[in-house]
Amino acid sequence: NAGVTQTPKFQVLKTGQSMTLQCAQDMNHEYMSWYRQDPGMGLRLIHYSVGAGITDQGEVPNGYNVSRSTTEDFPLRLLSAAPSQTSVYFCASSYSGVGTEAFFGQGTRLTVV
Amino acid sequence: AQSVTQLDSQVPVFEEAPVELRCNYSSSVSVYLFWYVQYPNQGLQLLLKYLSGSTLVKGINGFEAEFNKSQTSFHLRKPSVHISDTAEYFCASRNQGGKLIFGQGTELSVKP
Repeated sequence: NAGVTQTPKFQVLKTGQSMTLQCAQDMNHEYMSWYRQDPGMGLRLIHYSVGAGITDQGEVPNGYNVSRSTTEDFPLRLLSAAPSQTSVYFCASSYSGVGTEAFFGQGTRLTVV
Repeated sequence: AQSVTQLDSQVPVFEEAPVELRCNYSSSVSVYLFWYVQYPNQGLQLLLKYLSGSTLVKGINGFEAEFNKSQTSFHLRKPSVHISDTAEYFCASRNQGGKLIFGQGTELSVKP
């Protein structure tokens, strides 16, 4: 059982480049979300989705796009990378109930130079 | 607005000593509270959660937390820590809309 799979694990981008961080889950979870983790700031919610075809913004959505065409996949797109987007990115998924556990991927460490 | 505040960014403690990691939440509606742990270079995993009922919640690895509605707190405790408990700990809340919001994290460092 793979759980939540994120690719790539590491990435270096130049300022202005675009890229897509991939996230896939095999648990048939309705709810998926993207976070960024920065020292001293915890995890901040970028975008989330409550089901296929439905997405919404979190706390820090600027500079990022998402789509949810299937239940399994929730890619995060950086449109024009900036040094401020250097961070560790985590994808999470869960069932839609408020008390359910969120399962996290191993993270993608992104550096923008 | 929904928010979570962890009052200590770093907590150093000696092995076998007790520890408390503090968390306060803010919400005008019912919240559901969680503690997650992140070991170095890994993702997060659930330690315990409070949904309703008994205010003392027991989790994995000997951790427990107490929900205190009057003080809007959800502090995490362990009576005797081990070196292997060294990690970053996150308090989180989830509202009816489903968004999971995290605190800033507390680095627990257990020294021999």
